[in-house]
Amino acid sequence: QQQVKQSPQSLIVQKGGISIINCAYENTAFDYFPWYQQFPGKGPALLIAIRPDVSEKKEGRFTISFNKSAKQFSLHIMDSQPGDSATYFCAASKGGSYIPTFGRGTSLIVHP
Amino acid sequence: DVKVTQSSRYLVKRTGEKVFLECVQDMDHENMFWYRQDPGLGLRLIYFSYDVKMKEKGDIPEGYSVSREKKERFSLILESASTNQTSMYLCASSFTLGASDANTGELFFGEGSRLTVL
Repeated sequence: QQQVKQSPQSLIVQKGGISIINCAYENTAFDYFPWYQQFPGKGPALLIAIRPDVSEKKEGRFTISFNKSAKQFSLHIMDSQPGDSATYFCAASKGGSYIPTFGRGTSLIVHP
Repeated sequence: DVKVTQSSRYLVKRTGEKVFLECVQDMDHENMFWYRQDPGLGLRLIYFSYDVKMKEKGDIPEGYSVSREKKERFSLILESASTNQTSMYLCASSFTLGASDANTGELFFGEGSRLTVL
């Protein structure tokens, strides 16, 4: 049973465009939603995270939008750059647990 | 900076061989994890440890075991490697969640060990 569903599996965007990656979760006990970014040959690293008490969080060109009623959250990358080309994982964890449940990942390619 | 070091970046082993993957972290984290990464399947948790000598099964523990004799070191063991264990293996560590909201349980990953079993 996949508790966090991530789409699309792959995404190709032109430089300057907007990249959007979506995730949906089932467990209403989840209360922390991080996104991890993984460059080729490297391990994933925390990019940005949100808690359900806010509907949006922005850090530079990266924005998380959160819809608690729909149990969905998404990552928006504005003005996408070739350097953003990476694999992105959404995740969710619940209070008191340090073990996140990961989505299956999205491979993003930004063409120059 | 937090550093999680995986001793071997690339390994090639034969079917039936015993394989050790070593991971060391330098941030005094309580928790350590072993994940397996395969295309289209994302990150799957094999085992985790929340304290020295403690271990818990993750989602796909079959065919694997772990050892944590020291806080900073977490080893993944393949007792008898099989071709379906060819994969990228990622080690991670984190602090245990506390009362502080600043401690979110962020995972710090190593760069991975790519294992090929022939």
